[in-house]
Amino acid sequence: DTEVTQTPKHLVMGMTNKKSLKCEQHMGHRAMYWYKQKAKKPPELMFVYSYEKLSINESVPSRFSPECPNSSLLNLHLHALQPEDSALYLCASSQDQGVAKNIQYFGAGTRLSVL
Amino acid sequence: GQSLEQPSEVTAVEGAIVQINCTYQTSGFYGLSWYQQHDGGAPTFLSYNALDGLEETGRFSSFLSRSDSYGYLLLQELQMKDSASYFCAVRPPNQAGTALIFGKGTTLSVSS
Repeated sequence: DTEVTQTPKHLVMGMTNKKSLKCEQHMGHRAMYWYKQKAKKPPELMFVYSYEKLSINESVPSRFSPECPNSSLLNLHLHALQPEDSALYLCASSQDQGVAKNIQYFGAGTRLSVL
Repeated sequence: GQSLEQPSEVTAVEGAIVQINCTYQTSGFYGLSWYQQHDGGAPTFLSYNALDGLEETGRFSSFLSRSDSYGYLLLQELQMKDSASYFCAVRPPNQAGTALIFGKGTTLSVSS
């Protein structure tokens, strides 16, 4: 099983809403990632969790709040987002953040629209 | 900093061979990876070059030359399903926990 599952697939929210994106993998990977992808652009790294601890925050605004409840789950809590935050949010996992090859397995993403 | 340059678009016909180049400016990295992403889909890993030379995986091959700061992805016997975006990516070393840095991506359109 090389699957990373993200829910929901689509999300529409207002600027005052609070919502959460969820990501799950059962490959035993110890590194998990959140990326943001705008149309026709590459994925941009937001957060990295390694062994359930936040190891990288790429200067992401505090309206995005990640959480890693256990080694299989990764959440992204959203609050007071702006329309420019509308994008595809991708979750990925890899065997170990320290491995040079670092093959990342991506979920299909959550397409977020902020109104 | 890291910078990876790719052509924005490439077009080809079924059965043809196409090469997608990736030139980079980086102080160092572990290796060059390639990912494929169909419209509306997830990026999927295609190939990885840790060392200079050619890596072959079925119809896809990837090449790296560190001395030339250059790599490419070669797709042979093109099929319509190969129409997608292709990203080269590197993992910079010596930065605690840094994940992948992606190139801007190349959109490949395969026609019949």
